[in-house]
Amino acid sequence: AQSVAQPEDQVNVAEGNPLTVKCTYSVSGNPYLFWYVQYPNRGLQFLLKYITGDNLVKGSYGFEAEFNKSQTSFHLKKPSALVSDSALYFCAVRGIRRALTFGSGTRLQVQP
Amino acid sequence: DAGVIQSPRHEVTEMGQEVTLRCKPISGHNSLFWYRQTMMRGLELLIYFNNNVPIDDSGMPEDRFSAKMPNASFSTLKIQPSEPRDSAVYFCASSLMGGKETQYFGPGTRLLVL
Repeated sequence: AQSVAQPEDQVNVAEGNPLTVKCTYSVSGNPYLFWYVQYPNRGLQFLLKYITGDNLVKGSYGFEAEFNKSQTSFHLKKPSALVSDSALYFCAVRGIRRALTFGSGTRLQVQP
Repeated sequence: DAGVIQSPRHEVTEMGQEVTLRCKPISGHNSLFWYRQTMMRGLELLIYFNNNVPIDDSGMPEDRFSAKMPNASFSTLKIQPSEPRDSAVYFCASSLMGGKETQYFGPGTRLLVL
């Protein structure tokens, strides 16, 4: 079985500060890892993914994520947060089963 | 380039009625996924298709739910009869199997069963 844990329901950060949204996973075989963002009353927007290669993955809107195999983590990061980054963020994993398994989501609140 | 298209965007119905949700995947994509989002259970897979064939329907709650994909550009998710606990946001996503495998999501259908 594959699973994803997002240990923080909410992350608060001041605008301009770096942000980290945590994610750990469990999957058989090599993981495909994804981050999506959801704005209110909208669908999920793809941010970035890790399949293979460099452990640091760069994505949309200045976001990046670091894959750590030994810690089975895939934390989302951004060097300088914007108020407009405030949204719900989902980590997801795809293993042998092609469908995505999502974490419970982390609400990011960036204060001006 | 049109993304995944879902209709209707909102649906309000009464318990016992039939509900049909529709999805048009991105042109050229050969995998289609139906997910449901609720506060209690988060995002969960209902069913997915490869090349119009259902591959994994283990997430379909019960016999009241059915999904079809008659061709590469159209899929339906039907609930008959609907119940209040079916109230949720239903998302359709598509991807290119064998490609980069990124799933692209539609805007969702917000279903309320009274």
